[in-house]
Amino acid sequence: QLQLQESGPGLVKPSETLSLTCTVSGGSISSSDYFWGWIRQPPGKGLEWIANIEYRGYTYRNPSLESRVTTSVDTSKNHFSLNLSSVTAADTAVYYCARHKRLAERPATFDFWGQGTLVTVSS
Amino acid sequence: DIVMTQSPDSLAVSLGERATINCKSSRSVLYSSNNKNYLAWYQHKPGQPPKLLIYWASTRESGVPDRFSGSGSGTDFTLTISSLQAEDVAVYYCQQYYTDSWAFGQGTKVEIK
Repeated sequence: QLQLQESGPGLVKPSETLSLTCTVSGGSISSSDYFWGWIRQPPGKGLEWIANIEYRGYTYRNPSLESRVTTSVDTSKNHFSLNLSSVTAADTAVYYCARHKRLAERPATFDFWGQGTLVTVSS
Repeated sequence: DIVMTQSPDSLAVSLGERATINCKSSRSVLYSSNNKNYLAWYQHKPGQPPKLLIYWASTRESGVPDRFSGSGSGTDFTLTISSLQAEDVAVYYCQQYYTDSWAFGQGTKVEIK
């Protein structure tokens, strides 16, 4: 069974960079059938897509976060990563990684999710 | 970008009764070349990750009970729970995948009356 697990610091200081890694087990990240995505949920709010990346490195980013987001993939370790720079309290959220399945040749639905990790931005 | 708007924000339904959630996109998510609506629904329970319920607006994901159904086309969509069960208490989200900026609705909270 496919499993995704987020890892990274639970507390980040304002203006610093939030860094998370998602490790995939039970399946290979190196498939053209999928992208691998990041979604977050601020406390009391809804879901917001952040970015996704394919194993060859092709990536999409949310335009509202694009200037602060970088993503990477390491196929040898079967994991992918997110960096969000210059964080503020507004970036406090549960961060999820998810498999982004292709339908009709394009990334479409998030069909497997990690459990999520709470990242708090505070000094 | 396409904006997804759900209604209502919350609803309370008696056990065994029907729950209906609406989702409206700011522009059509119907792709004319294949006549498919690029719209999905998710269920999100507290302390768990979201779960994909429906894609192509009306196709149930494997293992999803048939009391969940999706309908609609173009800009207006509906998720129906035909007979609400206690385990269906959750927040439900629609999501478009028509553009390369995958947007969710703001969520609809379903509770037991």
